[in-house]
Amino acid sequence: EVQLVESGGGLVQPGRSLKLSCAASGFTYSNYVMAWVRQAPTKGLEWVASITTGGGNTYYRDSEKGRFTIYRDNAKNTLYLQIDSLRSEDTATYYCAKEGYGGTFAYWGQGTLVTVSS
Amino acid sequence: DIQMTQSPASLSASLEEIVTITCQASQDIGNYLSWYQQKPGKSPQLLIHSATSLADGVPSRFSGSRSGTQYSLKINRLQVEDTGIYYCLQHYSAWTFGGGTKLELK
Repeated sequence: EVQLVESGGGLVQPGRSLKLSCAASGFTYSNYVMAWVRQAPTKGLEWVASITTGGGNTYYRDSEKGRFTIYRDNAKNTLYLQIDSLRSEDTATYYCAKEGYGGTFAYWGQGTLVTVSS
Repeated sequence: DIQMTQSPASLSASLEEIVTITCQASQDIGNYLSWYQQKPGKSPQLLIHSATSLADGVPSRFSGSRSGTQYSLKINRLQVEDTGIYYCLQHYSAWTFGGGTKLELK
């Protein structure tokens, strides 16, 4: 059974950094593109970043290039998202997602809530 | 960037009714379009991939179609458990979600 378990969220002050993790199990992690998707409270889904199987290629939504870093450790079956210079508008639930049919997000974690506030 | 315009933003329908939600892509995205359902407090779930293919375990009352750059999700014979928020996603060039459609029972 595919499992994706996010962690690392919490209350953070503006300007600080945060590292989110996603522990994957139930599939051959190194064979799949992985992604982060976020959802601000009461808002819609927003793709944040994706990373290819070996980690050599990363993709970010234009507005977040530079502050977000996605990376993975295939030996630990874990996906990460580093967020720097946190802003109030980064407040959201961050989901980890596993690629499915040709770029879809076939499996999702339960999400981890990041709240940026002083 | 590719924009996805989803409509309607909200929808109220009766049990057993046929419901249709649409997404308009700002440019050609081929069949790189998927649909998701999200229930309150839960993660999204994949319903349709490749514009028209049903994901594993999804009831056959859900279907997807495409006409040019317009994509539709149809629910035949609406059930109580179909309430929630529906999103389209293009994955032709990067990834862009539609704004969502909140579906409620009348």
